[in-house]
Amino acid sequence: TQLLEQSPQFLSIQEGENLTVYCNSSSVFSSLQWYRQEPGEGPVLLVTVVTGGEVKKLKRLTFQFGDARKDSSLHITAAQPGDTGLYLCAAHNYGQNFVFGPGTRLSVLP
Amino acid sequence: GAVVSQHPSRVICKSGTSVKIECRSLDFQATTMFWYRQFPKQSLMLMATSNEGSKATYEQGVEKDKFLINHASLTLSTLTVTSAHPEDSSFYICSANPLGGGYGYTFGSGTRLTVV
Repeated sequence: TQLLEQSPQFLSIQEGENLTVYCNSSSVFSSLQWYRQEPGEGPVLLVTVVTGGEVKKLKRLTFQFGDARKDSSLHITAAQPGDTGLYLCAAHNYGQNFVFGPGTRLSVLP
Repeated sequence: GAVVSQHPSRVICKSGTSVKIECRSLDFQATTMFWYRQFPKQSLMLMATSNEGSKATYEQGVEKDKFLINHASLTLSTLTVTSAHPEDSSFYICSANPLGGGYGYTFGSGTRLTVV
């Protein structure tokens, strides 16, 4: 069974601060996704990374896929209250279903 | 972009009754859909994979007779919670993979089930 770990589990910061959350595994994946889920809603796909070492930016969010395709990070610059939510990473290998991490619950205080 | 519509968003039912949750792909065809369960402040737990025109594939520990899945068309999958009990109260979410492969899931907005 392929497992994904996410850290930290919980994070509470002030508006304007920077933060990084991590997604790690001992397995190699063909692709990895990051989602954000707000309370009472389904997760929303933020990004998909497929190449080792790949870096993608989405406004204040920077996503990186590890060189070995086993891990990923999500960095948020100048966090805002609207960034509050559960951040989930999910990974995929050919012919298999996605595996979801346990999530990082982020709270950005005004 | 691809949209998955889930209905109802909230439902309250009495113990012993059955509840049906619908998941529709609005602008694409989905031969496969996925049903998840999420407890408060926890991640998603895959319950089953719904396959159009064939039987669903259930994850270990998920009761097939309790959670009936029907995927009768390329745009609709349903999950029926039969003889519901309070411990079935949870947030149920469906998803599909519009582009296939590793491009990521599109999720429905979820259904909050409360069994009283």
